[in-house]
Amino acid sequence: GNSVTQMEGPVTLSEEAFLTINCTYTATGYPSLFWYVQYPGEGLQLLLKATKADDKGSNKGFEATYRKETTSFHLEKGSVQVSDSAVYFCALSSRPGRRALTFGSGTRLQVQP
Amino acid sequence: NAGVTQTPKFRILKIGQSMTLQCTQDMNHNYMYWYRQDPGMGLKLIYYSVGAGITDKGEVPNGYNVSRSTTEDFPLRLELAAPSQTSVYFCASATSGREDTQYFGPGTRLTVL
Repeated sequence: GNSVTQMEGPVTLSEEAFLTINCTYTATGYPSLFWYVQYPGEGLQLLLKATKADDKGSNKGFEATYRKETTSFHLEKGSVQVSDSAVYFCALSSRPGRRALTFGSGTRLQVQP
Repeated sequence: NAGVTQTPKFRILKIGQSMTLQCTQDMNHNYMYWYRQDPGMGLKLIYYSVGAGITDKGEVPNGYNVSRSTTEDFPLRLELAAPSQTSVYFCASATSGREDTQYFGPGTRLTVL
């Protein structure tokens, strides 16, 4: 079956530091890959996505590249801000079929001023 | 355009009670989902629907029921609440086209005592 593995948190960084959150996946077929972000007390928001191999998703300074050869979708940002503190979830969507998301366990990011 | 709305935001139940979590979307999406999020974990799929009148089980359906009589509404029913159902519940929706991004509601925090 499908599965997503994320690096354990929490990740604690100083403002303006470089961020990498690792994500690897196992899936049948050709899934779409996503990063969702959850701010305290809120629901999940889509951060970025990629739908095929070598695609790069980007949003708000975050980037992730769909690497089929290494089955990875690592999240990166060059300079984090305090406002980026949140929980980040890597997920994949099985296509065709029910298109339900399979989530990783989430990585909490804490950015200190 | 409200997106995905969920009610209630919070609820405390006694063991053995029942309740219905409401979910409504106004984006005319065919696909709808219920997930639960346990502390420190990713989201797990409870039930999903690919259109009005069609529902199916996800990974963790025991103790829950759903119905989908309209495109907009996808209520989740808990019968005989148990402490193991203490969780945060998220409803999500998605289109049936190539765009497979899921849009999440704000969640319902349920405690069973």
